[in-house]
Amino acid sequence: QKEVEQNSGPLSVPEGAIASLNCTYSDRGSQSFFWYRQYSGKSPELIMSIYSNGDKEDGRFTAQLNKASQYVSLLIRDSQPSDSATYLCAEDSGGGADGLTFGKGTHLIIQP
Amino acid sequence: GAVVSQHPSWVICKSGTSVKIECRSLDFQATTMFWYRQFPKQSLMLMATSNEGSKATYEQGVEKDKFLINHASLTLSTLTVTSAHPEDSSFYICSARDTMGQETQYFGPGTRLLVL
Repeated sequence: QKEVEQNSGPLSVPEGAIASLNCTYSDRGSQSFFWYRQYSGKSPELIMSIYSNGDKEDGRFTAQLNKASQYVSLLIRDSQPSDSATYLCAEDSGGGADGLTFGKGTHLIIQP
Repeated sequence: GAVVSQHPSWVICKSGTSVKIECRSLDFQATTMFWYRQFPKQSLMLMATSNEGSKATYEQGVEKDKFLINHASLTLSTLTVTSAHPEDSSFYICSARDTMGQETQYFGPGTRLLVL
């Protein structure tokens, strides 16, 4: 049974600070990892994808992957109130042929 | 690009009726679409994988005779909830993967189903 674990939070971060979100996964065969943002009542929106060990940066977002530790993280720099949402970590161990396995999500609150 | 639509966005129905939800990829072709369900304050759970021109693959615990999936074209998959009951009330979300081999899944806006 593939599992993706996240701290449900809420994680409260002051505006302008760095928000750090963490995720661990159980399937060592997983190759692809994704971070989605979900606002209340809405469907998930892709933030970042990462496939290789190391860091991947896109604007204010940095994803980090450590396959040896089975650990994925997302850093949000210069946090804004609009970043307040639930962040879902997901993995795809089927090479795209299978659906994603999601964590339960971390509720992030950016305090103005 | 990579837009996925769903219709309807919300539906209220009586117990025992059937409800059809459509998922369309608007600007790309999708040989594979996925159907997820999300209950309040829970994460998305994969229900089934829909492949164009073949039978859907259902996850363990999902009744294939209750949740009928049809993927008749490269841009359309439908999910029919047959004989819906209140416990089927949920947020149903589809996603699509384009045929160009990218692994990213693009999600539709979701359909909120309330069964009375």
